[in-house]
Amino acid sequence: DIQMTQSPSALSASVGDRVSITCRASQNIDSFLNWYQQKPGKAPNLLIHTASSLQSGVPSRFSGSGSGTDFTLTISSLQPEDFATYYCQQSYSTLALTFGGGTKVEIK
Amino acid sequence: EVQLVESGGGVVRPGGSLRLSCAASGFTFDDNGMSWVRQVPGKGLEWVSGIKWDGSSTGYADSVKGRFTISRDNAKNILFLQMNSLRAEDTALYYCGRGGYNYNSRRGSPRRGSYTDVWGKGTTVTVSS
Repeated sequence: DIQMTQSPSALSASVGDRVSITCRASQNIDSFLNWYQQKPGKAPNLLIHTASSLQSGVPSRFSGSGSGTDFTLTISSLQPEDFATYYCQQSYSTLALTFGGGTKVEIK
Repeated sequence: EVQLVESGGGVVRPGGSLRLSCAASGFTFDDNGMSWVRQVPGKGLEWVSGIKWDGSSTGYADSVKGRFTISRDNAKNILFLQMNSLRAEDTALYYCGRGGYNYNSRRGSPRRGSYTDVWGKGTTVTVSS
């Protein structure tokens, strides 16, 4: 299976900060990378698919970039409702669509 | 309203079986691949299984292969996950999702790029003696 490694595993930031989360795949996955946000007690919510395509209804402060093995999720100006855990997921494999370990974004 | 509602979770002894269901509404069920994702409380997400829109192709995580079986009833808009030989490590919240499964076409070319854009609220499975 393709392994996905996210960093950092947690970060502290303030409202208004620019935040970046990285995700690395164990092999080339082209641009087949999704990002999800999960708040406590809730199901995940799709933010970005295919590395940089913003899902309908998701604020434009979220953006994704990268291809091959290295990807980044950026929040341009952190808002109170953005404090959550973020997961990347590769969508290249036809065997299993593996997730990264998650990045928890906490209030500084 | 687009909705997925899971059911069938519960407490089961190691070695036992359970069948999860996911009732879909508000969208054309048989136009979509479907998947199951689980999450141990306080831990990350784990993709478990997926199925093509017509049920002709399925996939499983190595951790459940040979023990779990995914299926669907397109006439009733229901997704299933049959879980056999359950282990303590299968204890988790199980989410049903629209999308989230890649497959190979009949000609063998891969269909990549799936994502899960609709999620249920989950059903809890506890495996304990």
